[in-house]
Amino acid sequence: SAVISQKPSRDICQRGTSLTIQCQVDSQVTMMFWYRQQPGQSLTLIATANQGSEATYESGFVIDKFPISRPNLTFSTLTVSNMSPEDSSIYLCSVELGSYEQYFGPGTRLTVT
Amino acid sequence: GENVEQHPSTLSVQEGDSAVIKCTYSDSASNYFPWYKQELGKGPQLIIDIRSNVGEKKDQRIAVTLNKTAKHFSLHITETQPEDSAVYFCAASIEKGLTGGGNKLTFGTGTQLKVEL
Repeated sequence: SAVISQKPSRDICQRGTSLTIQCQVDSQVTMMFWYRQQPGQSLTLIATANQGSEATYESGFVIDKFPISRPNLTFSTLTVSNMSPEDSSIYLCSVELGSYEQYFGPGTRLTVT
Repeated sequence: GENVEQHPSTLSVQEGDSAVIKCTYSDSASNYFPWYKQELGKGPQLIIDIRSNVGEKKDQRIAVTLNKTAKHFSLHITETQPEDSAVYFCAASIEKGLTGGGNKLTFGTGTQLKVEL
């Protein structure tokens, strides 16, 4: 498995502002993913972040709203831009290991007021 | 795209009883089926997975079965304990490898399991 950390663990933000979430993993991984989990709901994939290439976004998610960086094999950031209360969710990063297993970080709990 | 349905949404069992959670998937090309346990305030934890070339897999008190023909898979927890109380998610994906865009998981809606003393 892998040890994954996320910063911040939680935040309360004003509408119209942006928040950058960091994801750090303890080993080098090629594939990283960002998910959103709305309150009491399941997980929805936002985008796939491959080191050295542009992130690939799922339907309903756009780069202007959720820009992603992947500067190296152990780190990624997700920015939630121009936030509204509807963006209040848990944001989770995950990593895929060579065996295709996917491991999740602890999540960032975002509340937008 | 893939659609995963999960039942029941809530499940309450007595300590020591068995719990079964069922999922169905829509895309016959899906070949990887993990199960995650999410405790309150934490990220999902991978507890067991199964690939389409296997019908059943066990790991101590948990087991997963897969019926490819019917496109459904189930999680079985035996001898339940209070620490098994959590939300369980099933997921499905088509393993594409590192050059194929990775393993994009589609999740079920979750089952809140409560193990009562």
